[in-house]
Amino acid sequence: GNSVTQMEGPVTLSEEAFLTINCTYTATGYPSLFWYVQYPGEGLQLLLKATKADDKGSNKGFEATYRKETTSFHLEKGSVQVSDSAVYFCALSDRGTGNQFYFGTGTSLTVIP
Amino acid sequence: DVKVTQSSRYLVKRTGEKVFLECVQDMDHENMFWYRQDPGLGLRLIYFSYDVKMKEKGDIPEGYSVSREKKERFSLILESASTNQTSMYLCASSFPLGGGSTDTQYFGPGTRLTVL
Repeated sequence: GNSVTQMEGPVTLSEEAFLTINCTYTATGYPSLFWYVQYPGEGLQLLLKATKADDKGSNKGFEATYRKETTSFHLEKGSVQVSDSAVYFCALSDRGTGNQFYFGTGTSLTVIP
Repeated sequence: DVKVTQSSRYLVKRTGEKVFLECVQDMDHENMFWYRQDPGLGLRLIYFSYDVKMKEKGDIPEGYSVSREKKERFSLILESASTNQTSMYLCASSFPLGGGSTDTQYFGPGTRLTVL
């Protein structure tokens, strides 16, 4: 079946630190992979996506590379800011089930000045 | 920009009440989804719909029903609310596979429902 596993939080970093949030997946087909971000009190917003192996998604300084060999899609940012404090969700889209999404449990990030 | 709106940001209901959560999208998306979000559990799919008057059960449909009479509107119904349905409810929409430029799901702001 399909599933997503992401590192548990919460994660606390100082401003300008390097961020990695690990995400691995299990899929029966060839999924698209996503990172969504949820700021306090809001819904989920798409952060970045990758649709095939070796694609790199990037946005707002965040990056993630679709690694089929390790079934991973780790989120990275070189220098975090206080405004990056949020919950981050890794997800996959299974085309075999009509674009049904499978989400990880979310990783809470707090960046302190 | 895609816009998905939900009828309420916060809702307080009593046990046994019938509750309607409304979701509207303005991008002519065929697919619409209802999730609930709980701490430590992430997002869990309740119901989804690929077309008007069409619905499919997700992972946790018990205690819920849905209605899709118009393409842009997808309603989640709690027939008899219970305290274990206290949660954040998120609606999302997307193009169908092969349609549009992406299979991305777009989310509304969420409704935080408390059942007393």
